[in-house]
Amino acid sequence: EVQLVESGGGSVQPGGSLRLSCVASGFSIVNYWMHWVRQAPGEGLVWVSYIQSEGTYTTYANSVKGRFTVSRDNAKNTLYLQMNGLRAEDTAVYYCASHRGGWAEAYWGQGTLVTVSS
Amino acid sequence: DAVMTQSPLSLPVTLGQPASISCRSSQSLVHSDGNTYLSWFQWRPGQTPRRLIYKVFNRGSGVPDRFSGSGSGTDFTLKISRVEAEDVGLYYCMQSTHWPYTFGQGTKLEIK
Repeated sequence: EVQLVESGGGSVQPGGSLRLSCVASGFSIVNYWMHWVRQAPGEGLVWVSYIQSEGTYTTYANSVKGRFTVSRDNAKNTLYLQMNGLRAEDTAVYYCASHRGGWAEAYWGQGTLVTVSS
Repeated sequence: DAVMTQSPLSLPVTLGQPASISCRSSQSLVHSDGNTYLSWFQWRPGQTPRRLIYKVFNRGSGVPDRFSGSGSGTDFTLKISRVEAEDVGLYYCMQSTHWPYTFGQGTKLEIK
């Protein structure tokens, strides 16, 4: 069965850090574009970051640029999101998503909740 | 950024009846490679998100043929020919032609 499973969410104080992981099973992420997408409570979906198949190119939403770092370990079939300098507005469910072929093949995780509060 | 505007935001539908969701972009979604990267996703309660349609009208593997996508340029539509109980949930359009990727606000489909 194809699955993406996120972990690492939790509660943290403003200014703190968290590292999210997304482990893939049932397929290899090697040739997949990988993204993080988030959804704040009561809000819509917002794309956060992208990492190219070999990990040599990344891009970020302006709201997280300079604070978040996306990385991947293809050997471990895992995507990561290092989140530093967290703010209240980063509170959201974070989803990982993989795709190739212009979303012809696409998989999403179930999400992990990050809460930033003092 | 390309702003994606969905309508309606709430869609009550009688079982067996058709449903239609509109998605409009603030800029053309035709990529320089000639493709239009407009996708539709379904969020069902308690389940992982599911891609229904990619590149405007292509149905994903395993997606029932009652789902169809159409449109071009800036105007797109998702249609369900006959709504079933399992179709209840949220539906989002998303453009991946331009960075950053952007989503519509979501349409909540419910059974009347």
